[in-house]
Amino acid sequence: SAVISQKPSRDICQRGTSLTIQCQVDSQVTMMFWYRQQPGQSLTLIATANQGSEATYESGFVIDKFPISRPNLTFSTLTVSNMSPEDSSIYLCSGRTTQETQYFGPGTRLLVL
Amino acid sequence: EDKVVQSPLSLVVHEGDTVTLNCSYEVTNFRSLLWYKQEKKAPTFLFMLTSSGIEKKSGRLSSILDKKELFSILNITATQTGDSAVYLCAVAIFGNEKLTFGTGTRLTIIP
Repeated sequence: SAVISQKPSRDICQRGTSLTIQCQVDSQVTMMFWYRQQPGQSLTLIATANQGSEATYESGFVIDKFPISRPNLTFSTLTVSNMSPEDSSIYLCSGRTTQETQYFGPGTRLLVL
Repeated sequence: EDKVVQSPLSLVVHEGDTVTLNCSYEVTNFRSLLWYKQEKKAPTFLFMLTSSGIEKKSGRLSSILDKKELFSILNITATQTGDSAVYLCAVAIFGNEKLTFGTGTRLTIIP
């Protein structure tokens, strides 16, 4: 299986501030994704992180709110900008391997006050 | 619109029982179906199924796909309290990189 690490594991933030989440994957991963899981709900894809270019966002998610970087094959960041309590969620980094299997990082639990 | 439906939404059984979780889907250009176990934060990969009728097995867990009837089942035999979790089903399609997730089945095992 692929090894995916993510940090921070949790954070409590004030509204109006921004938080950057980091994700590191091993070399088996070819594609990287960012998901959100709001309380009591299933996973929703935010965007596909593209190496060296702008991420591909899903409907309802925009770059100004969720800027994503992927400077190389194995590292990506997601920033949650100008946070509000509605952004309180678990944010998950995910990687797909050459065998088409997709794994998830340990997640970041975010609480916005 | 692609759709993945899991049933039941929740299930409570006693330790030692056998459970069957269901996942049905309506998607275009089906590529694969994946099962995950989510206990706290991160979903843990269980199985990926691409072909009909071929059972995948790992210990007490097994899963099979029916591409004609568009569903998959996940079986857990001799359940243990450590099997308590939300089980997620997700479908991947050709031409789109996203996984479409079901809402999950919350399984609770009573000692």
